[in-house]
Amino acid sequence: AQTVTQSQPEMSVQEAETVTLSCTYDTSESDYYLFWYKQPPSRQMILVIRQEAYKQQNATENRFSVNFQKAAKSFSLKISDSQLGDAAMYFCAYRSALGQNFVFGPGTRLSVLP
Amino acid sequence: GAVVSQHPSWVICKSGTSVKIECRSLDFQATTMFWYRQFPKQSLMLMATSNEGSKATYEQGVEKDKFLINHASLTLSTLTVTSAHPEDSSFYICSGSGLAGVWETQYFGPGTRLLVL
Repeated sequence: AQTVTQSQPEMSVQEAETVTLSCTYDTSESDYYLFWYKQPPSRQMILVIRQEAYKQQNATENRFSVNFQKAAKSFSLKISDSQLGDAAMYFCAYRSALGQNFVFGPGTRLSVLP
Repeated sequence: GAVVSQHPSWVICKSGTSVKIECRSLDFQATTMFWYRQFPKQSLMLMATSNEGSKATYEQGVEKDKFLINHASLTLSTLTVTSAHPEDSSFYICSGSGLAGVWETQYFGPGTRLLVL
């Protein structure tokens, strides 16, 4: 079974600075999808970014980008120019290309300091 | 696009009563819907997966007779907590995936906070 690990329970970053959140996963599959979701205090899960495993190019969405290292099974999220609204729980998730279910990591709580 | 709504957003009920939570995909057809439970400061725990028109598939340890899931259409799934007890108090989140945006992505509802007295 696949597992997702987020080794940083909590992180903090100064406003306008850059922060990187770590995620590693364990799988024997070669085709899968990876996601980062954000859960702010409202508790609404919001898709931040997604990556297809067959793509070598790292996904980017405005201030958010990933560093996808397939061989190392690593999928870190970089947030540039951090804003107060980025403060939230961030969950890394894995989805097999063969299945429907997601496997979520335990989450990283990000605080943004003014 | 890919908006999912949940109703109600919060509910308080007496022990022994049943509570129904609705999950709707507003602008796409959700061929698959998922129900999660989330305890404070924890990750999401998958309860069950349902495909439109089929019986739900429950995760190990989730009582299917207690948590009734119906996915009667491509835009609506319901979760009924039967004979609720205080230990069922939690935050319940639904999500949908299917013919919207990126098909392999799950789009989440805003969640329902249930308090059983």
